[in-house]
Amino acid sequence: AQKVTQAQTEISVVEKEDVTLDCVYETRDTTYYLFWYKQPPSGELVFLIRRNSFDEQNEISGRYSWNFQKSTSSFNFTITASQVVDSAVYFCALSELGGYNQGGKLIFGQGTELSVKP
Amino acid sequence: DTGVSQDPRHKITKRGQNVTFRCDPISEHNRLYWYRQTLGQGPEFLTYFQNEAQLEKSRLLSDRFSAERPKGSFSTLEIQRTEQGDSAMYLCASSLGIAGGINEQFFGPGTRLTVL
Repeated sequence: AQKVTQAQTEISVVEKEDVTLDCVYETRDTTYYLFWYKQPPSGELVFLIRRNSFDEQNEISGRYSWNFQKSTSSFNFTITASQVVDSAVYFCALSELGGYNQGGKLIFGQGTELSVKP
Repeated sequence: DTGVSQDPRHKITKRGQNVTFRCDPISEHNRLYWYRQTLGQGPEFLTYFQNEAQLEKSRLLSDRFSAERPKGSFSTLEIQRTEQGDSAMYLCASSLGIAGGINEQFFGPGTRLTVL
């Protein structure tokens, strides 16, 4: 069965602190994709990153970095030197390649609400 | 570049009424998805189209729900005989299908449905 668990419901930090959002997934497929999305207070989901199961290289994009570890089925997201504008709900999602007709539906975690205080 | 658009943004209806939502995906995207999101939860998959063909439906999609994508462009989601439990944000997303892989989905702003 497919499942994504984001155990941290809410995190509160002070600006400039580093913060890591945890994501643990379950899948029986060998080929799958992992995603992170940001949902700011305005409500629209914003795509942040896509990673396939064969690429375990960590990625850095500005203040954002992602750590993918297949051995622990985790895909964690770190924000360095957090800013107030980072305040949002962050979702981790899983998509199994499956057959052609399965089309890449996303299975989302419950989200982590990040609050960055000035 | 125009993103995914949804109409209306908000809909208030009385229990038992029918409602219809529209989604216009990014023009070159052949895949279109509908999700439902309730407060404090992640989006849940409802259904998916590849061009005009509806290829997958979730068990969440009861027989009161129907979706179409008649010409492989825009899509509509209709809920018949609405119930209070249908109150949620309905999200549409689109992506460019690729052989042997999965691209990211781009989401619209959503339609917030309130059933009184």
